[in-house]
Amino acid sequence: AQKITQTQPGMFVQEKEAVTLDCTYDTSDPSYGLFWYKQPSSGEMIFLIYQGSYDQQNATEGRYSLNFQKARKSANLVISASQLGDSAMYFCAMREGPGSQGNLIFGKGTKLSVKP
Amino acid sequence: DSGVTQTPKHLITATGQRVTLRCSPRSGDLSVYWYQQSLDQGLQFLIQYYNGEERAKGNILERFSAQQFPDLHSELNLSSLELGDSALYFCASSPRGGGEEAFFGQGTRLTVV
Repeated sequence: AQKITQTQPGMFVQEKEAVTLDCTYDTSDPSYGLFWYKQPSSGEMIFLIYQGSYDQQNATEGRYSLNFQKARKSANLVISASQLGDSAMYFCAMREGPGSQGNLIFGKGTKLSVKP
Repeated sequence: DSGVTQTPKHLITATGQRVTLRCSPRSGDLSVYWYQQSLDQGLQFLIQYYNGEERAKGNILERFSAQQFPDLHSELNLSSLELGDSALYFCASSPRGGGEEAFFGQGTRLTVV
C-alpha cells in the first residue's frame, strides 16, 4: 500500500490566486513528520514546510501553509498568491517516528503550472 | 542554498562502467541519506549513514555501495552500470537520524549510454 498519495498529477492555477495541493498519508506510527518539497525544472529539491504529528497548529512558512487534518490523514499544501516562479513539481513526504529508519517516503508528486 | 553539496552535477558514462558520487552534508549534520529519482520509480530511498556507520538500507542494488568518511562526507559507488541506472541521485543530510530537518543537495544527474 502506498504510504503517501498525491492524487493530482497536474494542476493549473492563475497567477495571484491560491492553490491547494493534496496529500494523504498512511502510517500506524503515532510519531511522524510530514514534509513538502518543490522541484523546479532545474532539478533541485527545495524544502518548503514541515509538520510534526504532535504539532497543535498548522505549519506556515511565508506563502506556504500546511492544512493538517490528522484524523483524515491529510497534509495538503496551500500556496497563497501564486507566482510564475511557483511552477514546479511538488512532493509530499513522510518520515516515520523513532522506531523507523528515519528516511523520507515520497509521493509521486504534483506538477503545478501557474498561468499569467 | 541548502548547505548540502553534491559533485559532480552531471555525469555521462557507458554501460558496464563504475562511477562515484560525492556528498558533503551541512555543517554539523551527522546523518546522510541517498535517494534515487527516476521517471518510472519516482523518489526512492537507497541508504543512510549516521556518523560513519550504515544505519538503514532501502531499495539499493547490490551493484551499488556507499560509505561515510570520518569527515562525514559520503560517497555512493555505482558499478556495472546499466541503462536503467540513469537517474537523478540526491544526497540529503540531517543533524541526527530523524527529526524535522531534511535538506537536499542539488543532485547528480547520471546518464548511462
